[in-house]
Formats: sequence, C-alpha cells, structure tokens
Amino acid sequence: AQKITQTQPGMFVQEKEAVTLDCTYDTSDPSYGLFWYKQPSSGEMIFLIYQGSYDQQNATEGRYSLNFQKARKSANLVISASQLGDSAMYFCAMRGAFSGGYNKLIFGAGTRLAVHP
Amino acid sequence: DSGVTQTPKHLITATGQRVTLRCSPRSGDLSVYWYQQSLDQGLQFLIQYYNGEERAKGNILERFSAQQFPDLHSELNLSSLELGDSALYFCASSEDTGNNQPQHFGDGTRLSIL
Repeated sequence: AQKITQTQPGMFVQEKEAVTLDCTYDTSDPSYGLFWYKQPSSGEMIFLIYQGSYDQQNATEGRYSLNFQKARKSANLVISASQLGDSAMYFCAMRGAFSGGYNKLIFGAGTRLAVHP
Repeated sequence: DSGVTQTPKHLITATGQRVTLRCSPRSGDLSVYWYQQSLDQGLQFLIQYYNGEERAKGNILERFSAQQFPDLHSELNLSSLELGDSALYFCASSEDTGNNQPQHFGDGTRLSIL
C-alpha cells in the first residue's frame, strides 16, 4: 500500500534562510507522482511543485525545489530565502499509476513551518 | 486563485440533518475529487468523478454521496449528519487522471455539526 511519512510535525526557520521539509514515501508502483501543497492558516490548499518518478532532474519552481532521491524513497521540499508568508502547513502527497489508479492523492500528516523575522 | 469554486464556505447545522456541498472545477478540467480534512484523520480521499462518471471511491461513508453534472460541476451530499462529520471538505480538479497531473483545490467548505 502507498504511504507518505512526514516526520517533522513543526519546523522553525529565520527569515531569508533556507529550510528543508522531509518526506518519505512507500509504494510498489513503478510510476508515480509526488506533490507538495501549502495550506496557510486561512485553509486553502495551494499546489507548489511536482516530481515524476521517471524525471531525471529535480523539480524547481521559483524558491521551491524538490530534492528527489528515488533509491531512498524521499522527496524533500527545499524552500530558499524564506519569507514570513511561507508560514503555513506543508503537505507531501503521492499519486500512483496502478494502486488506486491515476486517481486519488495520498497525503502525509503535514509539517507546520513557522518563519521568524 | 486556483480556479476551483466551492460553496458555501461555512456551514453550521445539527445532527441528523442533510447538507449539499457544491464545487465548480477549473475551466477545462474533467476530473473532480472530494477530500475530507479532519484533525484526527488528516486529509482523506472520498470520491472521484471523471466527465460525469464515478471513477474511484475512497473512505466515503454510505451516508455520503456525490455526483457530477453535465456542466461538470459536482455536489457532495452528506446525510444523517453526526458530530464526527465536522471537518473541512475540499473539492479538487484536474484536466484528466494522469499521475503527473496536479490537483487544484478549492478553498474548502468548513462544516460544523452542533
């Protein structure tokens, strides 16, 4: 069965510093997608970045990058130059090609990030 | 703005009642997904529709049902409500069902059962 593990319930970072949020996953699917979402205190879920299991390069989107280590089954999110507005809950999620079809996202428990001035 | 519209934003009702949550997907998206977010269960997939047809079911209770209409909007119906149904209900949409497709979420409907 597919599973996402986020071991850091909470993280602190100073403004303008970089921070890494950990995510490990478990799947037997050969093809899968990994996603990160941000949930501010207002509640909406914002898509940040995607990494495909066959992608050779790590995904980047602006200040967000994904440190993908397939052999270790990890997909850590790196936020560079943290801003106060980055304070939020961050969820790692996965979609597999076969188990459950191309359909549902499976989410981790989330990491709450607090950016301090 | 994700382009996914959910109404209402907040809903307060009593046990035993029935409510309907509505979702309009992003323009061009054929797939609609419903998720429930609660403190004890986290984010759980409920059900998915693709172009009007049910495609996948997750941890959806029998008291809950959904449908997707010809104009692609979707409704989630929750009946015989219990205190434990209090949660944030999200609708998400994507162009199709590929595993490289991000799902774009609406702002959610916060349901409170009194």
